[in-house]
Amino acid sequence: DTGVSQDPRHKITKRGQNVTFRCDPISEHNRLYWYRQTLGQGPEFLTYFQNEAQLEKSRLLSDRFSAERPKGSFSTLEIQRTEQGDSAMYLCASSLGSYQEGYTFGSGTRLTVV
Amino acid sequence: AQTVTQSQPEMSVQEAETVTLSCTYDTSESDYYLFWYKQPPSRQMILVIRQEAYKQQNATENRFSVNFQKAAKSFSLKISDSQLGDAAMYFCAYRRGGSNYKLTFGKGTLLTVNP
Repeated sequence: DTGVSQDPRHKITKRGQNVTFRCDPISEHNRLYWYRQTLGQGPEFLTYFQNEAQLEKSRLLSDRFSAERPKGSFSTLEIQRTEQGDSAMYLCASSLGSYQEGYTFGSGTRLTVV
Repeated sequence: AQTVTQSQPEMSVQEAETVTLSCTYDTSESDYYLFWYKQPPSRQMILVIRQEAYKQQNATENRFSVNFQKAAKSFSLKISDSQLGDAAMYFCAYRRGGSNYKLTFGKGTLLTVNP
């Protein structure tokens, strides 16, 4: 297991287009998280899953955003009708769900909306 | 809502010297956890050290140690014998206890290590 994988690493899209990102967590991790990081800021929570259940969504996650984790393994984050303000690094992380655990992060997907 | 404040946007240290990064947080919870993450230029965040709020003893991981002052809500990171590979963004993060594992991050401190 090579850790948390995110695909693609970079995405440039035109405003108004839809984009989808994929995250493959560490296989035995039952929790999966999505965060967004803009330049000069720390990561901001978007949503998280325990297995296939989406347990919490941030108010940052507008109606244009949707996340899924259909079989409790990989997850996708889709942004519809992208806006320039969506430009950011989207980070995925996973954990075992133990109270002691920190996360294991992926390398992120950098989205640029032009 | 919990907030995490890192008041030092940038810090620099000479190789082999010691540097301390500051972090304060605001919470009304008594059960929580604190973390320091490192984000090198490759952008993958790496856990450096964690501290359980109920533990009085400060956590230590090799050259990294924390000064946890619960009453003051302060959680600073000390890096001893700094190495060039320590250069990165450092984020302080908070998680409350219980089953919600959401992290709240500070804005980060960019650490430069000078040879």
